[in-house]
Amino acid sequence: GNSVTQMEGPVTLSEEAFLTINCTYTATGYPSLFWYVQYPGEGLQLLLKATKADDKGSNKGFEATYRKETTSFHLEKGSVQVSDSAVYFCALTTGRRALTFGSGTRLQVQP
Amino acid sequence: DAMVIQNPRYQVTQFGKPVTLSCSQTLNHNVMYWYQQKSSQAPKLLFHYYDKDFNNEADTPDNFQSRRPNTSFCFLDIRSPGLGDAAMYLCATSRVTGEPNYGYTFGSGTRLTVV
Repeated sequence: GNSVTQMEGPVTLSEEAFLTINCTYTATGYPSLFWYVQYPGEGLQLLLKATKADDKGSNKGFEATYRKETTSFHLEKGSVQVSDSAVYFCALTTGRRALTFGSGTRLQVQP
Repeated sequence: DAMVIQNPRYQVTQFGKPVTLSCSQTLNHNVMYWYQQKSSQAPKLLFHYYDKDFNNEADTPDNFQSRRPNTSFCFLDIRSPGLGDAAMYLCATSRVTGEPNYGYTFGSGTRLTVV
């Protein structure tokens, strides 16, 4: 089956620090990979995606590269802001299966 | 502009009293999903509709039911809510199941409290 493993949080950073949130996966078939962000009290918003190996998804300064050889899709941002504080979910889908989510990583950015 | 709308945002219900959560979409997507998300956990898929075809996850309790009267609307019915059913309930849509290119569009969720 499909599964996603994320680093446990919370991750606490100072403003302008570099961010990495690790995500690895196992999948039956060839997955598409996603990062979703959830702000307090809200639903999930698609942050970025990659649909094939070596693709780089990017949005709002966040990036993640689809690494088939290491089955990873780590999220990075060069300089975080207080407004980036949220919970980040890595997710995947294969074939016609519904999205499978990781357990989420809470990011707290301090001024 | 809101494309997936969930009502209400907050719902308080009594233990054992049936409750219905609603979701509507303006995207004309074929697939609608219901996820349950408990605090600090990953969203857990309860079931989904592909058009009128209902697909239940194997571990979804019988206490949870769903209806999709038309393309735009989908309802989650909890027949006899228990304290363990308190959670955020997320509705999502996609054009096809396992949408590879665009992911899902989520509503803002309904937070259910059981008293």
